[in-house]
Amino acid sequence: DAGITQSPRHKVTETGTPVTLRCHQTENHRYMYWYRQDPGHGLRLIHYSYGVKDTDKGEVSDGYSVSRSKTEDFLLTLESATSSQTSVYFCAISRVRDYSYEQYFGPGTRLTVT
Amino acid sequence: QKEVEQDPGPLSVPEGAIVSLNCTYSNSAFQYFMWYRQYSRKGPELLMYTYSSGNKEDGRFTAQVDKSSKYISLFIRDSQPSDSATYLCAMSAYFGNEKLTFGTGTRLTIIP
Repeated sequence: DAGITQSPRHKVTETGTPVTLRCHQTENHRYMYWYRQDPGHGLRLIHYSYGVKDTDKGEVSDGYSVSRSKTEDFLLTLESATSSQTSVYFCAISRVRDYSYEQYFGPGTRLTVT
Repeated sequence: QKEVEQDPGPLSVPEGAIVSLNCTYSNSAFQYFMWYRQYSRKGPELLMYTYSSGNKEDGRFTAQVDKSSKYISLFIRDSQPSDSATYLCAMSAYFGNEKLTFGTGTRLTIIP
């Protein structure tokens, strides 16, 4: 357990509405990540952060924005939700351990866009 | 073609059997290799982390990397019903800010 919580855990929303997902960590890790997981695609990186107010795009960033105003919180916003953004969203942190840089994942948010 | 290929299964084996899970990859820059286990409706949990070629053992789990063949494996000995899960391989070229590339996962069921 890397002290990661995600909220909400489940959400149903309508096409065109904005949605914000929250990731909260308690261990002061510098790097945080947002992934989405879809059948046949595995986990794909959306955005990541390497510090407060420092973020960068991942593989599938179109339609998503992020913000990190505090070390412990990393927010993912779907500016105008579409049905293609129905997915399970995972937050992760990087932790250095025994000369390895390991990623640990939160419990996930299941988002359905109708 | 995907950078990382993983047979999605499903794979069913009897309890006590040795399980072999595999991934192939195309990017020769990958140096760091991981295996994650994911139970249904849960987040992935890190099982094994290896660097470069070779073997690493942790209890009933052995991770094997063959960079010359671009092929990695996870072996599970004395498989248990609690090992039933989806297993994801992941890899990265960089140490530090690890932008991981994942396989699609193999769904494994251990039959009691």
